Amino acid sequence: EPEVTQTPSHQVTQMGQEVILRCVPISNHLYFYWYRQILGQKVEFLVSFYNNEISEKSEIFDDQFSVERPDGSNFTLKIRSTKLEDSAMYFCASSESRGYQPQHFGDGTRLSIL
Amino acid sequence: TQLLEQSPQFLSIQEGENLTVYCNSSSVFSSLQWYRQEPGEGPVLLVTVVTGGEVKKLKRLTFQFGDARKDSSLHITAAQPGDTGLYLCAGAVGGADGLTFGKGTHLIIQP
Repeated sequence: EPEVTQTPSHQVTQMGQEVILRCVPISNHLYFYWYRQILGQKVEFLVSFYNNEISEKSEIFDDQFSVERPDGSNFTLKIRSTKLEDSAMYFCASSESRGYQPQHFGDGTRLSIL
Repeated sequence: TQLLEQSPQFLSIQEGENLTVYCNSSSVFSSLQWYRQEPGEGPVLLVTVVTGGEVKKLKRLTFQFGDARKDSSLHITAAQPGDTGLYLCAGAVGGADGLTFGKGTHLIIQP
């Protein structure tokens, strides 16, 4: 069964550094998402992406964050000048379309900011 | 802000028992999805419900979407240790892309 893959599984970065998290969505899916889950808290929506542009973003997704689809298969989340509070699990998801279509999640990247 | 409240937060029962967990909101959701999440992994989709009053079955799991599309329940019959895990509900409101997640129910089935 096709799945969403994320790399790396764990990223350790010094505070203030930039980090790029990578995702390969399911191949026939058109909508891509990033969520984060701070330890012990619920999963939170960050951003959705369709047709090479941001479709929707939450208040968490400020100027520190950016997303890109650099080629036909990868979808990336860049965090500039990381802060301690950026430490979390970051999940990528994809869906065939929006609305009623279910979102399928990857296994996440654990980001640890030191 | 849409909130999804899940209850109970923790549930520990014996193998063979039946259980129901709940997902409630004051908001109307266009669809609601149930996921199961294992430690260190991403949420795995179990089911999507769309129509008010809809009931879907997945082996021993029965999912129901409330008539007003504000709540949902997950019923497990004859629970087994393999059902142990974190069950999450997540809803989509109107035309929004992002899912709103509940905090989940931690379920432990003891042999």
